[in-house]
Amino acid sequence: AQKVTQAQTEISVVEKEDVTLDCVYETRDTTYYLFWYKQPPSGELVFLIRRNSFDEQNEISGRYSWNFQKSTSSFNFTITASQVVDSAVYFCALGLISGGYQKVTFGTGTKLQVIP
Amino acid sequence: NAGVMQNPRHLVRRRGQEARLRCSPMKGHSHVYWYRQLPEEGLKFMVYLQKENIIDESGMPKERFSAEFPKEGPSILRIQQVVRGDSAAYFCASSDVLAGGSQETQYFGPGTRLLVL
Repeated sequence: AQKVTQAQTEISVVEKEDVTLDCVYETRDTTYYLFWYKQPPSGELVFLIRRNSFDEQNEISGRYSWNFQKSTSSFNFTITASQVVDSAVYFCALGLISGGYQKVTFGTGTKLQVIP
Repeated sequence: NAGVMQNPRHLVRRRGQEARLRCSPMKGHSHVYWYRQLPEEGLKFMVYLQKENIIDESGMPKERFSAEFPKEGPSILRIQQVVRGDSAAYFCASSDVLAGGSQETQYFGPGTRLLVL
């Protein structure tokens, strides 16, 4: 069975600090997909990134970077020089192919508060 | 290109009433997913639909809940005889499934917050 664990329930940082959100996943499938979504206080879910299991290259997008380590089944998310607008709940998710479509399992989320 | 639309954004119902939640997928998307988010929890899969077909409803309660995605119009999640435990945020996501799912990304709507009094 698939599972996503986000052990950090809440994190508080002061503006301009770097912060890393942890995500550990479990699956027996060799092909899978990993996602990060952001849920700001307004409540909508914003797609941030999708990563395929066969592509372990790390990715950077502005102040955001993602570290995919297959050996430890982790897909961590780092925000550099955090800003107040980064305050949100961040969800990590795992997608598995089943019957020709993806079934996505979400972690319980990490609430990030950036203090000015 | 408009994103996924959901309405209403907020819905208040008394116990025993019916709740109807609507979802219009992104233009060009023919696959719709419904998720439920209980307070302080992550999203839980409920049902996956293609036009006029329910593909996977393994996450949906067997009673009182139903979903449809007609040929024309939005997808509807219907909850009959609501109870307090149904209070949650209900999110709809859409995708254009390609290559058997390997190129799929689900894009989410803003959600409907259902409060049962």
